[in-house]
Amino acid sequence: DIQMTQSPPSLSASLGETVSIECRASEDIYSNLAWYQQKSGKSPQLLIYYASSLQDGVPSRFSGSGSGTQYSLKISGMQPEDEGVYYCLQGSKYPWTFGGGTKLELK
Amino acid sequence: QVQLKESGPGLVQPSQTLSLTCTVSGFSLTSNSVSWVRQPPGKGLEWMGAIWSGGSTDYNSALKSRLSISRDTSKSQVFLKMNSLQTEDTAIYFCTRLVDYWGQGVMVTVSS
Repeated sequence: DIQMTQSPPSLSASLGETVSIECRASEDIYSNLAWYQQKSGKSPQLLIYYASSLQDGVPSRFSGSGSGTQYSLKISGMQPEDEGVYYCLQGSKYPWTFGGGTKLELK
Repeated sequence: QVQLKESGPGLVQPSQTLSLTCTVSGFSLTSNSVSWVRQPPGKGLEWMGAIWSGGSTDYNSALKSRLSISRDTSKSQVFLKMNSLQTEDTAIYFCTRLVDYWGQGVMVTVSS
């Protein structure tokens, strides 16, 4: 199975700060990567698919990049509503696997 | 609009079988795939398996021996069955339209 190592496990950011979250795959996943945001008590919401494509309705301050085994999610200008837990998901090879999550809080 | 809704028992006895139903609307199961994801309380997400648009399935290696996913396209329903439940299977179970849309989830507690 492909292992997804997500970092950091937690993060605290100030209003307007730029934040980056990383996911490293144990093998090449050919950009088959999605990023989700999960708020407390809610279902995860898709932010980015195919590594860098922004899901409809998601604010443009969210962006994704990467290739091969290294991927990142960037939030350009932290907002209060961006608090939550972020997960990456690889869809390159079965079984699909999630990263361990990054808890993002407003400082 | 696209919707998914999970249903099933909230409490299951240890060693028993869990049966969940995901009822979908706004899309066809013959042209879309559905997966199941679970989340133990306070922990991360675990991809359990999927039924693809053509009807084939794939499962998480760790659950493969206990898990079965099937569907009834005429009723727009996808089913999850998992046997030999233990307390560590206590979780919120979500069905998803593969990547984009998720149901609200159903909490399942395994306890005697």
